[in-house]
Amino acid sequence: AQSVTQPDIHITVSEGASLELRCNYSYGATPYLFWYVQSPGQGLQLLLKYFSGDTLVQGIKGFEAEFKRSQSSFNLRKPSVHWSDAAEYFCAVGREYGNKLVFGAGTILRVKS
Amino acid sequence: ETGVTQSPTHLIKTRGQQVTLRCSSQSGHNTVSWYQQALGQGPQFIFQYYREEENGRGNFPPRFSGLQFPNYSSELNVNALELDDSALYLCASSPGQGSTDTQYFGPGTRLTVL
Repeated sequence: AQSVTQPDIHITVSEGASLELRCNYSYGATPYLFWYVQSPGQGLQLLLKYFSGDTLVQGIKGFEAEFKRSQSSFNLRKPSVHWSDAAEYFCAVGREYGNKLVFGAGTILRVKS
Repeated sequence: ETGVTQSPTHLIKTRGQQVTLRCSSQSGHNTVSWYQQALGQGPQFIFQYYREEENGRGNFPPRFSGLQFPNYSSELNVNALELDDSALYLCASSPGQGSTDTQYFGPGTRLTVL
């Protein structure tokens, strides 16, 4: 069965610094991978998705993610973090059960000025 | 284009009661999925409805049930509420139930069971 691990529960970065959030998945075939962001009291907003093709995926708000099959990873990156990026980020995997998603536990991003 | 909407925003119930949560899907979407997000956890899949039929169910007991209507809006019903049912309930709609049909989430309903 599919599963997702987000090893970091909390990450704190300074405004303007670069960011990398880790995501590891477990799935026998090529997974479909997603990153969602959740601001306090809000639903989930899709940042980006990977189905196939170029392993470096560009998303909204300046985010990108790279699919690495050899490492079973799909890490989220941003070159320069803004205070408004403070939120909780969820990695999710799909495909085994259609478009039903399995989510990781999330990483809370804090941005310090 | 209207996104996914959910009602109510917040709800407080007592143990043993029943609750109904509602979701309006995004225009053009025929599939609705429901997720439960307990505090400090990622969302967990409850079930999905595709064209008014249940299309998959997660590891939730039968007291969690749902409906999808001809306009593709949906309800989640929970009977005999337990304290552990306290969570954010998220609805997501998608243009289909295929694996490449991306899900778009509503703002959620916060359910507190006392």
